[in-house]
Amino acid sequence: AQSVTQLGSHVSVSEGALVLLRCNYSSSVPPYLFWYVQYPNQGLQLLLKYTTGATLVKGINGFEAEFKKSETSFHLTKPSAHMSDAAEYFCAVTSHMGAGNMLTFGGGTRLMVKP
Amino acid sequence: EAGVTQFPSHSVIEKGQTVTLRCDPISGHDNLYWYRRVMGKEIKFLLHFVKESKQDESGMPNNRFLAERTGGTYSTLKVQPAELEDSGVYFCASSPLLGAGPEQFFGPGTRLTVL
Repeated sequence: AQSVTQLGSHVSVSEGALVLLRCNYSSSVPPYLFWYVQYPNQGLQLLLKYTTGATLVKGINGFEAEFKKSETSFHLTKPSAHMSDAAEYFCAVTSHMGAGNMLTFGGGTRLMVKP
Repeated sequence: EAGVTQFPSHSVIEKGQTVTLRCDPISGHDNLYWYRRVMGKEIKFLLHFVKESKQDESGMPNNRFLAERTGGTYSTLKVQPAELEDSGVYFCASSPLLGAGPEQFFGPGTRLTVL
């Protein structure tokens, strides 16, 4: 069984400040990890993913995340928040090889960016 | 290339009525998934098609929900009769069957409100 916990359903930062969205997962086998973003009135868009290899992964819009096996974490960061980053962010995990795998999601974190 | 499309974008029905949601996956994607997000909760897996076959329907809440994918192209999800607790956002996702990573491509969702 897999599970994902996102700490903080709402996070508020000032424009230009560091963004840190937390994600911890539970998986009995090596996980594949994802961050998706949902902008208002849009679908889920893949920000970045970890499958194998380098544990620090870079995504779109300046976001990155680091897979830490010892901490079972996959926190999402961005050095400097922009107003356009305001959205809801979802961490997800799957442990199946290849395509054809269900995703298990965290509860989501809504990021608010103050001017 | 067109993304995953879902119809309708919003649906408001009364308890006891029937609603049918439609999903058109990305062309050539044999994997098709349905997920649901009930207000305030996490996004949860409903079922997975590989072409026209149901691969995994372990997330379907009860027998009021019927999913089909005739011909292995678009899929429909019918709720009959709808109950208040069925309200939420229904997401569809697709992915290629072979030679691809584990990520899924999501549609914009259908927001279902049962009154």
